[in-house]
Parts: sequence; C-alpha cells; structure tokens
Amino acid sequence: GAGVSQSPSNKVTEKGKDVELRCDPISGHTALYWYRQSLGQGLEFLIYFQGNSAPDKSGLPSDRFSAERTGGSVSTLTIQRTQQEDSAVYLCASSGRGARGIYEQYFGPGTRLTVT
Amino acid sequence: GESVGLHLPTLSVQEGDNSIINCAYSNSASDYFIWYKQESGKGPQFIIDIRSNMDKRQGQRVTVLLNKTVKHLSLQIAATQPGDSAVYFCAETRLGFQKLVFGTGTRLLVSP
Repeated sequence: GAGVSQSPSNKVTEKGKDVELRCDPISGHTALYWYRQSLGQGLEFLIYFQGNSAPDKSGLPSDRFSAERTGGSVSTLTIQRTQQEDSAVYLCASSGRGARGIYEQYFGPGTRLTVT
Repeated sequence: GESVGLHLPTLSVQEGDNSIINCAYSNSASDYFIWYKQESGKGPQFIIDIRSNMDKRQGQRVTVLLNKTVKHLSLQIAATQPGDSAVYFCAETRLGFQKLVFGTGTRLLVSP
C-alpha cells in the first residue's frame, strides 16, 4: 500500500508568517511522530501521537509549535511566527503494524521548510 | 541529557569493501536499538534492529553488533555497493517506550 506522504515537499516562507505542514500516515498505523532534521544533523523528536492517548509534546521547542491529529489519521504541524532557525526538514513517521509493531517507524519524504 | 552519538561523520569506501559504521549510546537503560538508512531527499528507512539480550544480529549483507559493556553499537555492511551510499543513523529506545533517540548520523560514500 501507499507509504507515509507529506505536503508540501518544499515550503518557503517569510519570517513571522505561520505555516502548516501535513502528514498522511500509513492506513491503520496507530502511532504518528514528527521530527525535525536540520542540515547535517540527526533527527530531533518533536511530538508523538498514539491512538486516542494524549500526545507526547515533550520535544516541541517552543509554544510557537503545535500539532494535531484528526480522526486518528492525518496530522498537521503548525509553526506560528516562523523564525529563521525553524528552517529544517520536517519528517513525519508512522508505525503500528508488522512484527516490530510500534518500533518500526515508516518515514515520509519530509517537508523542507525555508524561512527567509 | 541522554544522547546517542557517532564517532565518524563520513566514511568513504571502495565498492566491494566491507563498511563498519559505529555508534556510542549513553543511556544504559536502553534495550532496543535500530539502524536507519537515509538516502538523499528521502526519509530514513529501517535496516535492522537488535535487542539488548543479543550481541549480534545478521540481515542481508548487514550485521549489527552490540557491546553493552562499553555501550557501543556498530553496523557492518558486507561487499558495499554504490547503492549503499547514504547517511546511516543509529537510534535507541527502551521497550515499552515509543520515542526513539537518534544519533547525528554517518555519511557513507561508496566509490565505484
């Protein structure tokens, strides 16, 4: 079936504007994750959704960042009043099926955000 | 805080060589480790995992070794091919926890 998809693939925005990044997880996956990857760096955990449980927001860097997951499927990551340091690739992953269950995360291609 | 790090940021090898990518982890409570491969412009892709009750696990052309004494993880790729060129990340977690902690990554460059 289809993998994790993200949109847009690229986003250029002006400093101070709000942006919304979308993630469509693999159908049936109960867990959804957002990560941020700066140039040449590893993956920084942002937020995690599991079923109907309250999300783990411990990785969100500031209150300008928020995310929601509607109907247990699609997720939107919102960054308000963007700053240049927000420029990065934002990756979404989902997990939930297969022998490794929640531990095998399937990643989308990411959204490259550039704040000018 | 807890972190996972790598010794070599870039590894260059010739096609056909064996590659070894290393990773150090600092959380002694971690009991599950995963290697991911990230090709340019794509998201990371699962390669192989290992639990802390094992010290070696083999896949197709890849082997992961775990040394809990020194908190070290390595990924061995046999007969490296140009298609293996990518950034490789190790990640750690504890079974029962859903969050993965990723290392910085090592770029593997394979020359024909």
